[in-house]
Amino acid sequence: EDQVTQSPEALRLQEGESSSLNCSYTVSGLRGLFWYRQDPGKGPEFLFTLYSAGEEKEKERLKATLTKKESFLHITAPKPEDSATYLCAVQQVSGAGSYQLTFGKGTKLSVIP
Amino acid sequence: GAGVSQSPSNKVTEKGKDVELRCDPISGHTALYWYRQSLGQGLEFLIYFQGNSAPDKSGLPSDRFSAERTGGSVSTLTIQRTQQEDSAVYLCASSLFRLAGSYNEQFFGPGTRLTVL
Repeated sequence: EDQVTQSPEALRLQEGESSSLNCSYTVSGLRGLFWYRQDPGKGPEFLFTLYSAGEEKEKERLKATLTKKESFLHITAPKPEDSATYLCAVQQVSGAGSYQLTFGKGTKLSVIP
Repeated sequence: GAGVSQSPSNKVTEKGKDVELRCDPISGHTALYWYRQSLGQGLEFLIYFQGNSAPDKSGLPSDRFSAERTGGSVSTLTIQRTQQEDSAVYLCASSLFRLAGSYNEQFFGPGTRLTVL
């Protein structure tokens, strides 16, 4: 069964303290790995898609990387406005999972001023 | 441009009542998805629509759940005889349909928070 596991469940950082969030996955053929940000009471907001090992993408203070078994979301010098829950999701190459996303439970990030 | 919209934003109902949740996808997006997000759980896939193809209903948790998509655009998720365990946030997403071998980002609406008393 396909699985997506995110760690840690929660992370508290001081403003400016860089860190990484982890997403490990087991899937029979990865089409794409997606990172979303979700603020309380809102729907997930798309951040990145990665679809081959070694790929990296950046957006402001965020950088996502992908290996054959996991993805990391690196946050450099975070600010309080980066506080949110970060969700990781995978999409399979074929079958029913080729369009639906399988999500992890997320990492709740709190950045303290 | 306009994103995915959902209504109502909040719905409180009594056990046993039927509810309808609405989703308006991004204009031009032919693929539409419903997910459910329960407290402490990840997003759970419910149903997928693509163009005029038969929907994939494999994620619907019981036959009390149904969904339709009219005119290839607006979708309605209906829950009959609601139960307390149906309480959750129901999220709708839409995407462009891409050919096999490429990815497709899904863009989410704000969700409908359903509370069954």
